[in-house]
Amino acid sequence: GAGVSQSPSNKVTEKGKDVELRCDPISGHTALYWYRQSLGQGLEFLIYFQGNSAPDKSGLPSDRFSAERTGGSVSTLTIQRTQQEDSAVYLCASSLVIGGSSGANVLTFGAGSRLTVL
Amino acid sequence: AQSVAQPEDQVNVAEGNPLTVKCTYSVSGNPYLFWYVQYPNRGLQFLLKYITGDNLVKGSYGFEAEFNKSQTSFHLKKPSALVSDSALYFCAVRAPYSSASKIIFGSGTRLSIRP
Repeated sequence: GAGVSQSPSNKVTEKGKDVELRCDPISGHTALYWYRQSLGQGLEFLIYFQGNSAPDKSGLPSDRFSAERTGGSVSTLTIQRTQQEDSAVYLCASSLVIGGSSGANVLTFGAGSRLTVL
Repeated sequence: AQSVAQPEDQVNVAEGNPLTVKCTYSVSGNPYLFWYVQYPNRGLQFLLKYITGDNLVKGSYGFEAEFNKSQTSFHLKKPSALVSDSALYFCAVRAPYSSASKIIFGSGTRLSIRP
């Protein structure tokens, strides 16, 4: 597609429920990131997928959080047994990676999924 | 481990005056550095990046940033601020090892331009 698509745009859930957030990156973008932004503050890194490499999960805050990326395209972020402190905007971004010197990549962000845990 | 710091939560500038938003980083090797902007109720947008070459890079909306290796800084600047520049600004860094290096963002600086 033309941009990074995230769904749902808004999710209200009760404490203890599981939620799934979806990200559909730009076609052909091999790098995909999930970040969390609380109350319009900083961007907290969660997880990074790059091609067929093992994902960098170093930012996931607890084992309640997991993510997968199927077929190198769509990604799903799952939060189990949600807590109130999970309330935030979850942002997905993708970028094109070219060759071995792939650091110079510009991220395209989705509009985010706003999660509210009651 | 790589990190990036934005020491100012908020910067207030009068319209027409120059503005500076500060960013310092820590990474092994030569960094890849970025600035992004988030306007109210809008998504994050790329402003500019430094990869190599000229230390002064120019980006969108008249913004520029200067890479200073000795001070490990990448401050964002604009010669004359506009009210429409009011937004949340993020600095980001990536270690240039390989495609496995992730992009880390700073905590953000809220820029407020008064008429």
